Amino acid sequence: DIQMTQSPSSLSASVGDRVTFTCRASQSISNYLNWYQQKPGKAPNLLIYAASSLQSGVPSRFSGSGSGTDFTLTISSLQPEDFATYYCQQSYSTPITFGQGTRLEIK
Amino acid sequence: QVQLQQSGPELVKSAQTLSLTCAISGDSVSSNSAAWTWIRQSPSRGLEWLGRTYYRSKWYNDYAVSVKGRITINPDTSKNQFSLQLNSVTPEDTAVYYCARQGYSYGHNWFDPWGQGTLVTVSS
Repeated sequence: DIQMTQSPSSLSASVGDRVTFTCRASQSISNYLNWYQQKPGKAPNLLIYAASSLQSGVPSRFSGSGSGTDFTLTISSLQPEDFATYYCQQSYSTPITFGQGTRLEIK
Repeated sequence: QVQLQQSGPELVKSAQTLSLTCAISGDSVSSNSAAWTWIRQSPSRGLEWLGRTYYRSKWYNDYAVSVKGRITINPDTSKNQFSLQLNSVTPEDTAVYYCARQGYSYGHNWFDPWGQGTLVTVSS
């Protein structure tokens, strides 16, 4: 199975900050990497697919990059509604696996 | 717009069978460009893909090794829905269970949308 490791596990930031999340795969997955946002009590919501493609309806302050084993999700200017947990997920092979998540908290 | 609506009991006794259903609107369970998936989430296991069913001229299933032998995912074309059955449950199967559509495009795939989630508690 491909292991997905996210860092940090939690992050404190303020409205307006630029923040970056990191996700590392245990083997090369090309750009078969998706990012999700999850708020408490809700299902995950797709933000980015294929490492850098923005899902329809997702604000342009979200962006993704990377290929191979190392990936990043960036929020260019944090908004109050962005405080949530973020997960990466590899879609390269079955079984599909997720990272353990990065919790974004208000500073 | 595709929507998924989950239903099923929230409390199951140990050794019994967990059964959930996911009703699809806005798409077909027989779609050739989607797979219909169950995922669960718990503090100890995080987000865990359980398996999927999909139609490509015939029906296919894939299951996670962690639940293989205990899991069945079935499509129901008459009701445009799919189901999850997990046998011989233990308290370790306590989790929020989600159904999700795995969409495909240009060789890539992702989960969108997701059902609302069902917290299933297994009592010992």
